[in-house]
Amino acid sequence: QVQLVESGGGVVQPGRSLRLSCAASGFTFSRSGMHWVRQAPGKGLEWVAVIWYDGSRKYYADSVEGRFTISRDNSDNILHLQMNSLSVEDTAVYYCAKESRLVGATNDYFEFWGQGTLVTVSS
Amino acid sequence: VLTQSPGTLSLSPGESATLSCRASQTVGRYLAWYQQKPGQAPRLLIYDASNRAAGIPGRFSGSGSGTDFTLTISSLEPEDFAIYYCLHRVNWPLTFGGGTKVEIK
Repeated sequence: QVQLVESGGGVVQPGRSLRLSCAASGFTFSRSGMHWVRQAPGKGLEWVAVIWYDGSRKYYADSVEGRFTISRDNSDNILHLQMNSLSVEDTAVYYCAKESRLVGATNDYFEFWGQGTLVTVSS
Repeated sequence: VLTQSPGTLSLSPGESATLSCRASQTVGRYLAWYQQKPGQAPRLLIYDASNRAAGIPGRFSGSGSGTDFTLTISSLEPEDFAIYYCLHRVNWPLTFGGGTKVEIK
């Protein structure tokens, strides 16, 4: 079955960097677009970034553009999120999510999610 | 921008729930609904505005197109009390609505 396991979260000071990882299994990783979505404590969901199945395209939320970089290693089935210049506003649980083309769908949707990893930016 | 209303819905088990998601510009039918319970990742309920995802009970239904969408839960079960989010898939960046909390009255 599909499994997505995030890691790399923790406490980091403002201005510092952190790299998150998402280990994927149970599906053909190299054929799936992958996303990062975050959720600040007590707040709603915020989409962060997407990477095409082959890494050829990437898109970011305005709030992270220029600071975060999404990447993937299709040989090791791992998704990454490099986060630089972190601020307290980046404090959140970060989820990785897998795109799926569902039955009868005309677009791709997040069907599978990891359990998330908590990033706390604090001095 | 996706705007969800109401922010909170207070209902009793057995009652029906109607949740709204309004887009600031047309998203066609590229809209999904997710359910999230405390401490859990979101779960896909509805995609392409009205298609139920695998394993989702028939009491959940979605409708709408363009800018106005509705998620209906026909008869609330105890496990349905949660927060519900809509998400568009029409262009980048993707955005979620602010969420509607369905709480027990």
